[in-house]
Amino acid sequence: GDSVTQMEGPVTLSEEAFLTINCTYTATGYPSLFWYVQYPGEGLQLLLKATKADDKGSNKGFEATYRKETTSFHLEKGSVQVSDSAVYFCALNSGYALNFGKGTSLLVTP
Amino acid sequence: GAVVSQHPSWVICKSGTSVKIECRSLDFQATTMFWYRQFPKQSLMLMATSNEGSKATYEQGVEKDKFLINHASLTLSTLTVTSAHPEDSSFYICSAAPSQYFGPGTRLLVL
Repeated sequence: GDSVTQMEGPVTLSEEAFLTINCTYTATGYPSLFWYVQYPGEGLQLLLKATKADDKGSNKGFEATYRKETTSFHLEKGSVQVSDSAVYFCALNSGYALNFGKGTSLLVTP
Repeated sequence: GAVVSQHPSWVICKSGTSVKIECRSLDFQATTMFWYRQFPKQSLMLMATSNEGSKATYEQGVEKDKFLINHASLTLSTLTVTSAHPEDSSFYICSAAPSQYFGPGTRLLVL
């Protein structure tokens, strides 16, 4: 079945460092891909998405490109802030409910 | 974007009682809603798919008699945790198709 694998955390970075969180997927069709962010004690917020190959989703300085050839959707940000500390979930939707990765915890220190 | 609300946001109950959680789509109609559960420091796991006007579809390992789902209208789905036990304590989150937006979640603590 469809699945998502994302890098294990926690990831600890200094403020203004470059962030990459890897995400790869397995799907039989052509899924839509998503990144969600969850701040402590809160629900999920959609961060960005891409619906077809080579699409780039972007929001709040975060970017991810839908790479069909490598079945990847890595999340990147050029300069992280303390306020970016959260758990990030990669997910795919192949026409049904969302299928989530295990989440990657990010801690950004001043 | 599309808004999904949940109520209540927090609930504490005694073991053996039943708890109802509501999920509403505020600015669109949703024939299908999804219920997820998230244990601490874990990912979201799909529990069931709620279909307006028909029976819900449950994922393997989810007890349909324990987690009752009612999708009586195009904007409301309810999840009732019957005879709750401490192991049911979790964060319950809904989403509504075709939106990929989620409700804010309901944190359930069973004492």
